[in-house]
Amino acid sequence: NAGVTQTPKFQVLKTGQSMTLQCAQDMNHNSMYWYRQDPGMGLRLIYYSASEGTTDKGEVPNGYNVSRLNKREFSLRLESAAPSQTSVYFCASRALGTNQPQHFGDGTRLSIL
Amino acid sequence: QKEVEQDPGPLSVPEGAIVSLNCTYSNSAFQYFMWYRQYSRKGPELLMYTYSSGNKEDGRFTAQVDKSSKYISLFIRDSQPSDSATYLCAMSARSNSGGSNYKLTFGKGTLLTVNP
Repeated sequence: NAGVTQTPKFQVLKTGQSMTLQCAQDMNHNSMYWYRQDPGMGLRLIYYSASEGTTDKGEVPNGYNVSRLNKREFSLRLESAAPSQTSVYFCASRALGTNQPQHFGDGTRLSIL
Repeated sequence: QKEVEQDPGPLSVPEGAIVSLNCTYSNSAFQYFMWYRQYSRKGPELLMYTYSSGNKEDGRFTAQVDKSSKYISLFIRDSQPSDSATYLCAMSARSNSGGSNYKLTFGKGTLLTVNP
């Protein structure tokens, strides 16, 4: 089973360029999430989608937009990339119901020069 | 004060040692507690999931929750080189409809190395 798939795995951008990170899950999960992970900062929530058709801001949403395209797919867009957005980005999904954990993809490593 | 505090380490132990990893938290609304393991260049994977205070055992891993002290622990017995990874604690509050809330709050992770 593929689980949560993120594309691309690596990307280098120049300051000011735009970029969309893609995430797809094949587990029929309702909720999806985008995190960034930086050294010494841990995982921080950027945006999440509790269910298809809804999106909400997390802890660090500035500079990002999201689209819940359908139940399977949740994309993260950087409209004008900045060096401070250099990070590893993780997508996660979670099934509906009580006590369901989040399942993570393997990340997109993004460098902005 | 951060909601979740976790010693980043690094922690280096010999093979076969008992490892103790810990997190403290300040938000009394947290009711659900998780431990994730993250290998280098991989996403976090769920190791343990607990709700109530007390111990939960799964093979060589034991998760312990003390809600009165706002303290959780993960113990690894007979540690192996394959246990070398970053361990992240995570927790969530109860949602209005019951069960775990949608959002997790993570500790910063502890880097563990088990030496052969």
